[in-house]
Amino acid sequence: SAVISQKPSRDICQRGTSLTIQCQVDSQVTMMFWYRQQPGQSLTLIATANQGSEATYESGFVIDKFPISRPNLTFSTLTVSNMSPEDSSIYLCSVVSPLNTEAFFGQGTRLTVV
Amino acid sequence: KQEVTQIPAALSVPEGENLVLNCSFTDSAIYNLQWFRQDPGKGLTSLLLIQSSQREQTSGRLNASLDKSSGRSTLYIAASQPGDSATYLCAPEKGGGSQGNLIFGKGTKLSVKP
Repeated sequence: SAVISQKPSRDICQRGTSLTIQCQVDSQVTMMFWYRQQPGQSLTLIATANQGSEATYESGFVIDKFPISRPNLTFSTLTVSNMSPEDSSIYLCSVVSPLNTEAFFGQGTRLTVV
Repeated sequence: KQEVTQIPAALSVPEGENLVLNCSFTDSAIYNLQWFRQDPGKGLTSLLLIQSSQREQTSGRLNASLDKSSGRSTLYIAASQPGDSATYLCAPEKGGGSQGNLIFGKGTKLSVKP
């Protein structure tokens, strides 16, 4: 299994500001995934991040709002830009095992926008 | 569009009971299906992965089955314990080469009373 570390674990931010969430994996992986879990809702995939190329965003998510970096095979960041209270969610990083496609998740970042 | 439904939304049982959590999905063209547990304020812990060629998987007191043709999966928990209290999430993986793109249900919130 993969060990995934996310930082910060939680934050309270002012509207209009940006927050960058970091995700570090203990092994090299091709793809990293960012999910959002809004209060009372299911997890939704934001984007897939490949090293050396632009992230692929799901419908309803755009790069200007959620820029992603993937500088190497063990690290990625997700930025939530120009935040509003509607961005208050848990953001989770995920990777998939190359052996059997089992998905593993970080502990999540609980974001509150005030 | 794949939709995942989990029934019941919440379940409270006395310790020691055997129980079944249900998951249904609308698009049977999935690659695999994974069950997770989510503890309050924390990330997701992988419980069982059922790959496309399999019909069930077992780990300890947990058994998950998959019937792709009918769009259903069940998670069976034997001899439940208070430590099993958590939200259980079902997530089929989107087919068509979208590795790691999991579609989540809203989960079943389980409470096991001592």
